[in-house]
This record gives sequence, structure tokens and C-alpha cells, in this order.
Amino acid sequence: KAGVTQTPRYLIKTRGQQVTLSCSPISGHRSVSWYQQTPGQGLQFLFEYFSETQRNKGNFPGRFSGRQFSNSRSEMNVSTLELGDSALYLCASSSTGASSYEQYFGPGTRLTVT
Amino acid sequence: SQQGEEDPQALSIQEGENATMNCSYKTSINNLQWYRQNSGRGLVHLILIRSNEREKHSGRLRVTLDTSKKSSSLLITASRAADTASYFCATDAGGSYIPTFGRGTSLIVHP
Repeated sequence: KAGVTQTPRYLIKTRGQQVTLSCSPISGHRSVSWYQQTPGQGLQFLFEYFSETQRNKGNFPGRFSGRQFSNSRSEMNVSTLELGDSALYLCASSSTGASSYEQYFGPGTRLTVT
Repeated sequence: SQQGEEDPQALSIQEGENATMNCSYKTSINNLQWYRQNSGRGLVHLILIRSNEREKHSGRLRVTLDTSKKSSSLLITASRAADTASYFCATDAGGSYIPTFGRGTSLIVHP
């Protein structure tokens, strides 16, 4: 079975721009969660999508949004980028949910905002 | 503040030694998970332990959970250089089902 894939792997953007990150879950997995990892704040939960619906949401501003398609692939969008958005963005999939069952993480997208 | 906090922040040992890291949390949980992360890469799930379980094993890994003390420990026996990584515990603050990760323990195993 192919693992979770994320594209792109690295991205450099300028403050004020927007960015879209993509995640393809493991085949058959319906839950996709997104996390932000920074040295200062550690790993923080952004949101979880299940069957195209946002099921859980972390404490992030509205500039962070996401969606899930019928094939379970998910995208995350960050608008009006700030320097503090520089981070490793991780996507994880699971068969049923972010917490009840083990999650399988992708390699991440390293976003640098200049 | 974080729901789960790992201790120690960093651990340096020799190959063959055992490594123990701890996780403490604040509120009741449904389950607790341990993950490993190699430098700058995705996380790998190690073990999930439910709130009604006290101990689980997987290969060289042993996880214990003490809900009365709100703590868990991860023991890696006979460590190898390949075990060098950061280890995170993730808990769900009872009822939220949103996993909260600690800051992690950085483990270095010297060959």
C-alpha cells in the first residue's frame, strides 16, 4: 500500500502571498488531519476532514483553511502568509479518526515565508 | 500549554542501553499514542494505549500508562543507533478527540 504523500515537499513564498498544500491519504482512509510543526510551538493540530466534512478544528486563524475531495485527497490553504507561518506542515490519514486510531503521517511540506 | 509533556527533553545513551522517556498530561484521556520522528520528517506511529490498559509491548518497545498519575512511559530496550529520533506522546483531552502532542524527547543513541 502506498503511504501518505504530500506535495510539494519544499516551498518558499513571500509574505502576503497565499499557498496551497496537497495531501493524498492511504487508499481507503477517510480521515485526513493537518498539523503545523515549528520549533517554538511544537506540533499543533490544524483541522481534520472526514468524508469531505471538517470534523475537528484547532485554534488557528481563519487564514488557514482546508478541504477534502470525494477521493479523500485533501488540500490546505493559507492566505496572506506571515513570517510566523514558516513551518513543517504534516498531513496524516487514518481509517476512522485522528485520535481513536493510529495515524499515518506524510513526509511533510517545508514552507518558508520570506 | 501542552496537554502532554515529555521528559526528559533530551537523552543521550550508548547503543545497547535502555532508553526511558515519560509523558505527563493534565486532563483525562481516551487514549495515548507514542510517535517517532526522524529529523525533519513525518511521524511514525509506535503504539496506542487506551485508558483502560496499563501496559503494551511492541518488539523492543514497552509502554505503560498510569491514569491515576496521568503519566505514561516509553521504554526502548537494547537501543540501536537507528533509534536516534524525537519521540512524542499524543493525547486526546477526554471527549475532544483532537490529539495534542507534547514537545518531544530527543533521543541520541551513540554507536
